[in-house]
Amino acid sequence: GQQLNQSPQSMFIQEGEDVSMNCTSSSIFNTWLWYKQDPGEGPVLLIALYKAGELTSNGRLTAQFGITRKDSFLNISASIPSDVGIYFCAGHRAQKLVFGQGTRLTINP
Amino acid sequence: KAGVTQTPRYLIKTRGQQVTLSCSPISGHRSVSWYQQTPGQGLQFLFEYFSETQRNKGNFPGRFSGRQFSNSRSEMNVSTLELGDSALYLCASSSPTGTDTQYFGPGTRLTVL
Repeated sequence: GQQLNQSPQSMFIQEGEDVSMNCTSSSIFNTWLWYKQDPGEGPVLLIALYKAGELTSNGRLTAQFGITRKDSFLNISASIPSDVGIYFCAGHRAQKLVFGQGTRLTINP
Repeated sequence: KAGVTQTPRYLIKTRGQQVTLSCSPISGHRSVSWYQQTPGQGLQFLFEYFSETQRNKGNFPGRFSGRQFSNSRSEMNVSTLELGDSALYLCASSSPTGTDTQYFGPGTRLTVL
């Protein structure tokens, strides 16, 4: 099925470092969403972006909707141990969500 | 407000059997979408229901079906189970204004032996 190109696939960082991940697509999306998933659980919505160019923050998280509507990034500042997990981007178009393959974040204390 | 609930959380079946999974959306949400998550394929869209009608469908075989009830609760059914159907099945609901922002349940882990 169609997937978004999400990178990096995995990250190994030290606690306190900043994190950046992004998603790109050849298609235009109307909405970009970022989710975090812990093992054995469903994805939890972190940030929703509805307009091209929109920059939105949620605590230490910041995400942007690319101006071309074909990409989005998520930044996490000053990472803490509970940030560990898999982060997914998702683009919404034609009443469907299309997901990236995920970025697995591992934090060394 | 209670979140999306899914039952059962875990299920073990054998090849050839059929299975029914249940999803209760967030109160007031009328759209329910279903996804299959596997390590190899990631999150794949199965179908979406709105007001008891299937509004959208992904590229899955006809063995995968669903329905939605008048209270917006939804079920999905998989018939003639195959080993490759082992996955985490996720349900998501979205607000009355549209399907843009979806909230996921905890999922049902299906293992086919």
